[in-house]
Amino acid sequence: QKEVEQNSGPLSVPEGAIASLNCTYSDRVSQSFFWYRQYSGKSPELIMSIYSNGDKEDGRFTAQLNKASQYVSLLIRDSQPSDSATYLCAGDRGSTLGRLYFGRGTQLTVWP
Amino acid sequence: KAGVTQTPRYLIKTRGQQVTLSCSPISGHRSVSWYQQTPGQGLQFLFEYFSETQRNKGNFPGRFSGRQFSNSRSEMNVSTLELGDSALYLCASSVGLVKETQYFGPGTRLLVL
Repeated sequence: QKEVEQNSGPLSVPEGAIASLNCTYSDRVSQSFFWYRQYSGKSPELIMSIYSNGDKEDGRFTAQLNKASQYVSLLIRDSQPSDSATYLCAGDRGSTLGRLYFGRGTQLTVWP
Repeated sequence: KAGVTQTPRYLIKTRGQQVTLSCSPISGHRSVSWYQQTPGQGLQFLFEYFSETQRNKGNFPGRFSGRQFSNSRSEMNVSTLELGDSALYLCASSVGLVKETQYFGPGTRLLVL
């Protein structure tokens, strides 16, 4: 099993809807988690980080972490066409090193 | 503040050649990580440097190597290129080893013919 798995999608939602992106992880990466957004032809940019169980909200984005189920999700409320991108889930082992383990990404399309 | 820069942005090589890619981190960032991104495998970690020392290495063959200079700039080298090395090579820099400060460069797109 890969350290981080994402449902590959693609996911398509109408403008204004809630987009839900999911990610599962193995025991090897269980400390902190990150969501990156990558527009086509661009490099990934960090949009959310989460370390403890529960929800973390930042504007229209909510990250959810459930360590018992080894599950991480990202909710995007009031989705906009500008949210159309590939979303990458990443985890780490909690070491002092900077290495991240990435899922393969979920492509999201928000149609007007 | 300037972001992470990578040169060259695009590169075409033939099998058997070698290539060197360069990464200049954000000023003040001392940690540099390299990733390979392909449609089939996604983002895979190559190696990481901090204060000129390789701190971690991914599961890539020895043809992939790197180094970091005293000014934190980093280079990676791939020798004896194979078709499967065609990918986007991303460099990311961070303040120390704090991942929230990790920013990616624009990448170098390598095509091996």
